[in-house]
Amino acid sequence: DAGVTQSPTHLIKTRGQQVTLRCSPKSGHDTVSWYQQALGQGPQFIFQYYEEEERQRGNFPDRFSGHQFPNYSSELNVNALLLGDSALYLCASSFQSGDPNYGYTFGSGTRLTVV
Amino acid sequence: AQTVTQSQPEMSVQEAETVTLSCTYDTSESDYYLFWYKQPPSRQMILVIRQEAYKQQNATENRFSVNFQKAAKSFSLKISDSQLGDAAMYFCAYRSLPYSGGGADGLTFGKGTHLIIQP
Repeated sequence: DAGVTQSPTHLIKTRGQQVTLRCSPKSGHDTVSWYQQALGQGPQFIFQYYEEEERQRGNFPDRFSGHQFPNYSSELNVNALLLGDSALYLCASSFQSGDPNYGYTFGSGTRLTVV
Repeated sequence: AQTVTQSQPEMSVQEAETVTLSCTYDTSESDYYLFWYKQPPSRQMILVIRQEAYKQQNATENRFSVNFQKAAKSFSLKISDSQLGDAAMYFCAYRSLPYSGGGADGLTFGKGTHLIIQP
C-alpha cells in the first residue's frame, strides 16, 4: 500500500520563476493538505483540497495556488518565487469521512531552494 | 487562532533512559485533537501518538505516553527506554474539530524539539 508520494524530491529555482510541486495521496485518501516547513521551524499550513476545491487556507499570499485532480492527486504552484520561499514543502493526505483523531499521513517532502 | 509552543529546542538522553518533551498550546476551543509527530532525517512526518481533548485518560503507545493537562493546556510526551532510533525532531501539533469554525482544518505545529540519544 503506497503512502504519500511527492515529486520532485529536490528542486532549485531562480528568484521570480514559477514552480509546480506534485503529490499523490495515500490509497483510499481523498483530501490533500500542503505545508511549508522553513529550516528549523515547524510546518505551516498552506491550504487543503477536497473534491477538487480549496477548502481552507492558511496565511499565505495568492502567489501560492493549488489544484486537485479527479484521482485526488494534487499540485502546489508558487509564482514569482522569493528567496524566502526556500523550504521543505510537505504534502499530507487524509480521508474526509475518517476519524480526525488519526491525523494525516505525510510524504517526505520536496526541498525547494530559491537562488 | 491557536498557537503551539515547544520550549525545548534540543534535548539529550542516554540510551535506555526516559525523557519528557514539553508542549503547551493556546486555544479558546473546548474540544480538539493533539498529536506528537516524529521527523527523522528522512523528512517524513510520522505520527507517534494522539489525544482527543475530551478524553481525560492519557494516551499510551508502547514506550510513548503523554501527560495531558487540559486546564493547563499542556501536552507533554514521555519516551521510556529510549532507543537510538528515537533520535529525530519531535513536533507537537493541534487540530480543531473539523468544520468547527475554529479555523483551518490543518494542523498547527510547534517549532519542534531535537531529540539526541546518547549511546
